[in-house]
Amino acid sequence: QKEVEQNSGPLSVPEGAIASLNCTYSDRGSQSFFWYRQYSGKSPELIMFIYSNGDKEDGRFTAQLNKASQYVSLLIRDSQPSDSATYLCAVEDQTGANNLFFGTGTRLTVIP
Amino acid sequence: DGGITQSPKYLFRKEGQNVTLSCEQNLNHDAMYWYRQDPGQGLRLIYYSQIVNDFQKGDIAEGYSVSREKKESFPLTVTSAQKNPTAFYLCASSMTGQRGSYNEQFFGPGTRLTVL
Repeated sequence: QKEVEQNSGPLSVPEGAIASLNCTYSDRGSQSFFWYRQYSGKSPELIMFIYSNGDKEDGRFTAQLNKASQYVSLLIRDSQPSDSATYLCAVEDQTGANNLFFGTGTRLTVIP
Repeated sequence: DGGITQSPKYLFRKEGQNVTLSCEQNLNHDAMYWYRQDPGQGLRLIYYSQIVNDFQKGDIAEGYSVSREKKESFPLTVTSAQKNPTAFYLCASSMTGQRGSYNEQFFGPGTRLTVL
């Protein structure tokens, strides 16, 4: 069983601050990593994916990957109240095409 | 308007009843998935299908059954053998590709099942 661990939070940050979400994974062979955002009562939506070591930036979001440390993170700059949601880290299963293993999620609250 | 639809949005079941959750997609995706989400938990894979007429068990398949007779449809039946079926059920679909390549999973709106 592949394991994906996230700090469960909840995490609270003031509006305009940087929110940092962390995820570790157990399968050293994992290649692709995803961050999904899930609003309460809604389905997850993909906000970032990364497969190369280093940083990947998309607007206010930056994903960071360190395969040697088996660590992936998501930074949200200039946090807005609309960013308040649960963020799910997912790792692609290398033994079965396209399957994803999900962490339990980190609930983020941005305080106005 | 492409996407994934799930019905019903809310479903109530009496103990001992089987119920079937619908999932339809018009994205022309080969792969479809069923997940279960409990409060404060991540998504756990119930069943997945990479191609029509073929499907595989996920991590928590006991008490569930699926069929994949059409590419667009992947219904999930929650049987009376499932001891604790109250949860949020999510269907997803994706393209398929080479191992290691990225194929985003798109999610439907979910069905919230409650056992009375």
